Amino acid sequence: QKEVEQDPGPLSVPEGAIVSLNCTYSNSAFQYFMWYRQYSRKGPELLMYTYSSGNKEDGRFTAQVDKSSKYISLFIRDSQPSDSATYLCAMSERETGANSKLTFGKGITLSVRP
Amino acid sequence: NAGVTQTPKFQVLKTGQSMTLQCAQDMNHEYMSWYRQDPGMGLRLIHYSVGAGITDQGEVPNGYNVSRSTTEDFPLRLLSAAPSQTSVYFCASSLTPGQPQHFGDGTRLSIL
Repeated sequence: QKEVEQDPGPLSVPEGAIVSLNCTYSNSAFQYFMWYRQYSRKGPELLMYTYSSGNKEDGRFTAQVDKSSKYISLFIRDSQPSDSATYLCAMSERETGANSKLTFGKGITLSVRP
Repeated sequence: NAGVTQTPKFQVLKTGQSMTLQCAQDMNHEYMSWYRQDPGMGLRLIHYSVGAGITDQGEVPNGYNVSRSTTEDFPLRLLSAAPSQTSVYFCASSLTPGQPQHFGDGTRLSIL
């Protein structure tokens, strides 16, 4: 079992839809959770960064962490064609020291149809 | 603010040739890393560095060398290019290994 699993997709939705992107993980020591967005022919850029369980909201984006289920989600409300990109989850046990490196999901490609 | 800068953006090599992919960051980050990204494989860590003079291997280090003589620069060397090394290479940096990393825009490398 891989440490981080992400539905490979691709995912296609109409403009205005609510999008739910998910990752599951097996390492219960993960505490820091990130979502990256990667446009075509560009590098990944940080979208959301959360610590431990709970929700974090930033505009149309909400990151949710459920440590008891080892499950994280990214919700996109009122999706726009400009949200079309590949989304990667990443997580780490700690910010410094041993076992602090990031572990990435493989990414899911989202297409929002006008 | 340039962030992480990678050069070149594109490169075509012949099998057996060597080359260096350049990476520079201007954020005074101690941690730098190299990934390759292939379809269906996600990001795979090649080498990383926790500071000047310190480097270590990642998940897929074979065929690659790195060095870190300054905080700003972290070049990746392909010793003898092979078709299996055709990929998109990303350099990333962060203050510490477990914090969010800043990525460059990648080098697209084709080996014939």
